[in-house]
Amino acid sequence: GAVVSQHPSRVICKSGTSVKIECRSLDFQATTMFWYRQFPKQSLMLMATSNEGSKATYEQGVEKDKFLINHASLTLSTLTVTSAHPEDSSFYICSARASGGDQETQYFGPGTRLLVL
Amino acid sequence: GNSVTQMEGPVTLSEEAFLTINCTYTATGYPSLFWYVQYPGEGLQLLLKATKADDKGSNKGFEATYRKETTSFHLEKGSVQVSDSAVYFCALSEWTNAGKSTFGDGTTLTVKP
Repeated sequence: GAVVSQHPSRVICKSGTSVKIECRSLDFQATTMFWYRQFPKQSLMLMATSNEGSKATYEQGVEKDKFLINHASLTLSTLTVTSAHPEDSSFYICSARASGGDQETQYFGPGTRLLVL
Repeated sequence: GNSVTQMEGPVTLSEEAFLTINCTYTATGYPSLFWYVQYPGEGLQLLLKATKADDKGSNKGFEATYRKETTSFHLEKGSVQVSDSAVYFCALSEWTNAGKSTFGDGTTLTVKP
């Protein structure tokens, strides 16, 4: 149980285009999902907290107009990198926290590697 | 604020050696503590957790005990295998902090046959 998927797993795009990454909780409902960014050989950097049916809460220094987050249902959150540039290339990981029960454990997706040319 | 400090890596061990990866934390309240493992090119997988003082989390031969007096949650395994090679992250989560997790910097473990 507690499986989280991400799609796509890998994407290459041209500079200036937008890229959408999906995060789905497959076998549980997730009121809250988190989006992280991970640079090579570094820890995870929390970008934003996504709550179903409300606006995402962004961490300091994260541009909300550049990284659009939508959490339209209890099983799906999307991150759209708008007008991507090479410096946005990174490994993006989402996690989901189950509604009810253990609300402190996060279940992570497999990550999406974005390369912007 | 909250913080997690992990033993710096990389750590290289021979198969069947004993593993310890140190982790200490600073928190304002009463956090839950976690160890996650990340294999190359993948997301994080929950390895084990402990939710209160003196709890011991264990999984796949790994274990860690929540020590409130020393604010530590050291990861141990008695006999490592080549397949344990990965990056290990210590983390804490507090319900009062909107459930956000604070991660350590990660420790890379390489196990040689």
